Amino acid sequence: DIQMTQSPASLSASLGETVTIECRASEDIYSNLAWYQQKPGNSPQLLIYDANSLADGVPSRFSGSGSGTQYSLKINSLQSEDVASYFCQQYNNYPPTFGSGTKLEIK
Amino acid sequence: EVQLVESGGGLVQPGRSLKLSCAASGFTFSDYNMAWVRQAPTKGLEWVASISYGGSNTHYGDSVKGRFTISRDNAKSTLYLQMDSLRSEDTATYYCARHFAYVMDAWGQGASVTVSS
Repeated sequence: DIQMTQSPASLSASLGETVTIECRASEDIYSNLAWYQQKPGNSPQLLIYDANSLADGVPSRFSGSGSGTQYSLKINSLQSEDVASYFCQQYNNYPPTFGSGTKLEIK
Repeated sequence: EVQLVESGGGLVQPGRSLKLSCAASGFTFSDYNMAWVRQAPTKGLEWVASISYGGSNTHYGDSVKGRFTISRDNAKSTLYLQMDSLRSEDTATYYCARHFAYVMDAWGQGASVTVSS
């Protein structure tokens, strides 16, 4: 199985800041990567797929980039509603596997 | 509006069975592949099982293979997960999800399953 390593495990940032979350795959996943946001007490929601395509209804302050084994999620102008855990997931190989998550808090 | 509503969770003893259901609405259920994803308390996400839109193809994670069965009733727009021989490590919130090529683009609110004596 492909291992997905996410960093950092937790992150604290101020409102209006830009934050970046990293995800590394144990082998090349050819941009077959999704990012999900899970707000406290809620189910995960799709943010980004194919490494850099924004899902419907997702604010443009979210963006994804990367290739090969290295990927990142960037959040510009951090808002209070962005407090959540963020997970990456590869779907290049079966079985699909998730990163361990990054918990984002407001400083 | 796409809605997925899970039911059937609860407390069950080790070795017993439980069946989850997921009622879908707001989209043509029979056009979509579906999956179950679980999340143990304070842990990350784990893909459990998937089923093709017609129901003919199913896939399972190694941790549940041979114990869990995914199925669907397209006439009722409902997804199921039959869980047998439950273990304490199966304790988790189980999410029903719609997917395309394993990108989960819609999720239910989750059903809590606790396996304990």
